[in-house]
Amino acid sequence: QLQLQESGPGLVKPSETLSLTCTVAGGSISSNNYYWGWIRQPPGKGLEWIASIYHSGTTYYNPSLKSRVTISVDTSKNQFSLKLTSVAAADTAMYYCAKKVERPAGFDYWGQGILVTVSS
Amino acid sequence: EIVLTQSPDFQSVTPKEKITITCRASQSVGSSLHWYQQKPGQSPKLLIKYGSQSFSGVPSRFSGSGSGTEFTLTINSLEAEDAATYYCHHSSSLPQTFGQGTKVEIK
Repeated sequence: QLQLQESGPGLVKPSETLSLTCTVAGGSISSNNYYWGWIRQPPGKGLEWIASIYHSGTTYYNPSLKSRVTISVDTSKNQFSLKLTSVAAADTAMYYCAKKVERPAGFDYWGQGILVTVSS
Repeated sequence: EIVLTQSPDFQSVTPKEKITITCRASQSVGSSLHWYQQKPGQSPKLLIKYGSQSFSGVPSRFSGSGSGTEFTLTINSLEAEDAATYYCHHSSSLPQTFGQGTKVEIK
């Protein structure tokens, strides 16, 4: 059974960089056709797709965040990561990593999420 | 950006009722529309993919239909455990977007 687990700091100061890692267990991040993504959810609000990546390194970004976001994959560690620069209070959210079996598919496996608070 | 608008925003229902949630897209998403269930404190769970295909392990009382710009999620014979917020999501173009959510309360 595939499992995804987010990790990283739960508190980030304004203007700093948020860095999160998603560790994939029970399967290979290099599996053909699998896409890996980050989605966030501010407290009490809806879901926002941030970025996705294919194991080859092909990336897809939400234009609203593209200038601040980098998604990357480390196949040797079976992990993928998210960096969000110049964070502000509006970036406070639960951050989820997730997988889809192909680019137009739905996200079929999700991590439990990690709450990141932006505050001084 | 394709905007997904769900209706209603909130619905209070009694057990065994049937409910329908609608998701309308601002432009065609073909069949690349998916439905999720999210319970408080949990991550979203995929229910329906590509408009009408049930994801593995999802109870048969959940079904989806539609294509293009209008989609529906139907829950037949609602159970207490179905209390949750339901989201639609399109993946037909960038950026992928989600609907605002429909909260279902069990009376």
